[in-house]
Amino acid sequence: ETGVTQSPTHLIKTRGQQVTLRCSSQSGHNTVSWYQQALGQGPQFIFQYYREEENGRGNFPPRFSGLQFPNYSSELNVNALELDDSALYLCASSQGTSGYEQYFGPGTRLTVT
Amino acid sequence: SQQGEEDPQALSIQEGENATMNCSYKTSINNLQWYRQNSGRGLVHLILIRSNEREKHSGRLRVTLDTSKKSSSLLITASRAADTASYFCATDAFNLQGGSEKLVFGKGMKLTVNP
Repeated sequence: ETGVTQSPTHLIKTRGQQVTLRCSSQSGHNTVSWYQQALGQGPQFIFQYYREEENGRGNFPPRFSGLQFPNYSSELNVNALELDDSALYLCASSQGTSGYEQYFGPGTRLTVT
Repeated sequence: SQQGEEDPQALSIQEGENATMNCSYKTSINNLQWYRQNSGRGLVHLILIRSNEREKHSGRLRVTLDTSKKSSSLLITASRAADTASYFCATDAFNLQGGSEKLVFGKGMKLTVNP
């Protein structure tokens, strides 16, 4: 078990709605990365936050946004949900932005109907 | 886009046997990492190997990296039923601007270890 926690565990939303997912990073880690994992696929990088600033973004539209707080916890917000947004959302914390192992949380399973 | 590609996509072995998984990638990398995932939950970091390293060991795990062939392998020796999981390689690659990209994962390989 890592020290990374995510909430909620499961979530069901309707197309067009908005959702906020939360992540608490491991103690001593200043970097949080978010990933989307569709069924049967590897995780896809959404974006990374370092010291409260976005530090790199993957190929995801602007309706995916995030925040990082002074205690390094983070939120992922998704607006105007689409059916294809159904996936496992993983956050990972690390000691730095690159070249460090990432400690993953258990994930949030989002279902969009 | 997915950079790493694991091979084989699925492997079924008996307890006690060794399991070898291969990963190929496309661009220059800073480092390569292997992760394990049980039943669609969070990933567990197994090992990180840097681009200037050729081999690394951790317990029953042995990872090799061949940057000339853009490939890596993960060997699990004396496998146990508890090793049953999906395994992913992930690369931390350079982007066109010379900076470091964040982790790019392959599609994963499902290992089943039968008791």
